[in-house]
Amino acid sequence: GAGVSQTPSNKVTEKGKYVELRCDPISGHTALYWYRQSLGQGPEFLIYFQGTGAADDSGLPNDRFFAVRPEGSVSTLKIQRTERGDSAVYLCASSLTGQGGYGYTFGSGTRLTVV
Amino acid sequence: DQQVKQNSPSLSVQEGRISILNCDYTNSMFDYFLWYKKYPAEGPTFLISISSIKDKNEDGRFTVFLNKSAKHLSLHIVPSQPGDSAVYFCAASARDQGGKLIFGQGTELSVKP
Repeated sequence: GAGVSQTPSNKVTEKGKYVELRCDPISGHTALYWYRQSLGQGPEFLIYFQGTGAADDSGLPNDRFFAVRPEGSVSTLKIQRTERGDSAVYLCASSLTGQGGYGYTFGSGTRLTVV
Repeated sequence: DQQVKQNSPSLSVQEGRISILNCDYTNSMFDYFLWYKKYPAEGPTFLISISSIKDKNEDGRFTVFLNKSAKHLSLHIVPSQPGDSAVYFCAASARDQGGKLIFGQGTELSVKP
């Protein structure tokens, strides 16, 4: 597609449930990033993929969070045993090379609400 | 530890005037700085950037200034237009970090007609 696609756009889940958030990057972009944006804050880095491998997962808050990108294209962010504090907008971005920080294209995000 | 800070959560400017958005950083390893603009329910979109080897970059109505000694950058919008009303984030990256960005908290700009 022309842009970064994230599905679903909104997700409401009960505390303790498992959720999956999907990101479909721009075709040909090798670098893929997940960020989380809480209310009144800037996006916070979670994880970065270069191709199929996670090059930097230092931003994942704990082991309930996991992300995969098995074929180097679509990525899924997985959250186990969701907590109310996980409520946020989860943003995905892709870039052609992953260098310099410019050339990012963000998706519109998935708004996750844990009730 | 907030490495990138935008201390003004909001700014209101009259149409046609200059908007100045400020950003401070603490990490001297940052070598690339960017400004993103975000409308509600959309992802951030890239606006303008500057390398640490420069002190100014201009693109149409938008100019970014970098003062490395003060670890400070600013975004100037001249003239401001109502369509510029959005949340503006500054962000920084370091060369060895694979394009990972550290964002400030954002400044909501409101341009009044």
